[in-house]
Amino acid sequence: QKEVEQDPGPLSVPEGAIVSLNCTYSNSAFQYFMWYRQYSRKGPELLMYTYSSGNKEDGRFTAQVDKSSKYISLFIRDSQPSDSATYLCAMSNSSASKIIFGSGTRLSIRP
Amino acid sequence: DAGITQSPRHKVTETGTPVTLRCHQTENHRYMYWYRQDPGHGLRLIHYSYGVKDTDKGEVSDGYSVSRSKTEDFLLTLESATSSQTSVYFCAISEAGQGTYEQYFGPGTRLTVT
Repeated sequence: QKEVEQDPGPLSVPEGAIVSLNCTYSNSAFQYFMWYRQYSRKGPELLMYTYSSGNKEDGRFTAQVDKSSKYISLFIRDSQPSDSATYLCAMSNSSASKIIFGSGTRLSIRP
Repeated sequence: DAGITQSPRHKVTETGTPVTLRCHQTENHRYMYWYRQDPGHGLRLIHYSYGVKDTDKGEVSDGYSVSRSKTEDFLLTLESATSSQTSVYFCAISEAGQGTYEQYFGPGTRLTVT
């Protein structure tokens, strides 16, 4: 069983919809939770991070962590075609060597 | 791509040949990483470095070696390439003290082993 599970999609939604992306994990030692966005043929870029449990909001993006359920989410409001990308969740127990990535969800926003 | 370059960007090589990929940074960050990305597996850590000449293994290190003789350069070597090493390779950097979550990635190298 993988430490981090992520539905690969693809997920296709109309422009303006609310998007929900999710990951589950098994390692209760994870403390840092991240979302990376990766455009086609590019390297991943950090979108959001959260320490421990709770919510964090940044513009149209909200990251949510539920450590009791070992479940994290990324919500995108008012989705735009420019949000079309692969979204990777990632987690760490604060060790510099141990960021574990999910396999990524491919998202497509239809104009 | 935050002052990180990778070379070559594309390479096709034959099974059994040695291959070296280069990562170069201009950010003077302490940590450097090599990942491979494959469909269904996401990003997997191959090796990482926490300083000049200081390296350690990651999750999928078999068949790979690394070297870091200067802060700005991190080399990944496939001693004898195999078809299972066909992948996209990403270099990443981070700075100690800023939190381990913020890794900056290079543009990637697409390697095909025939």
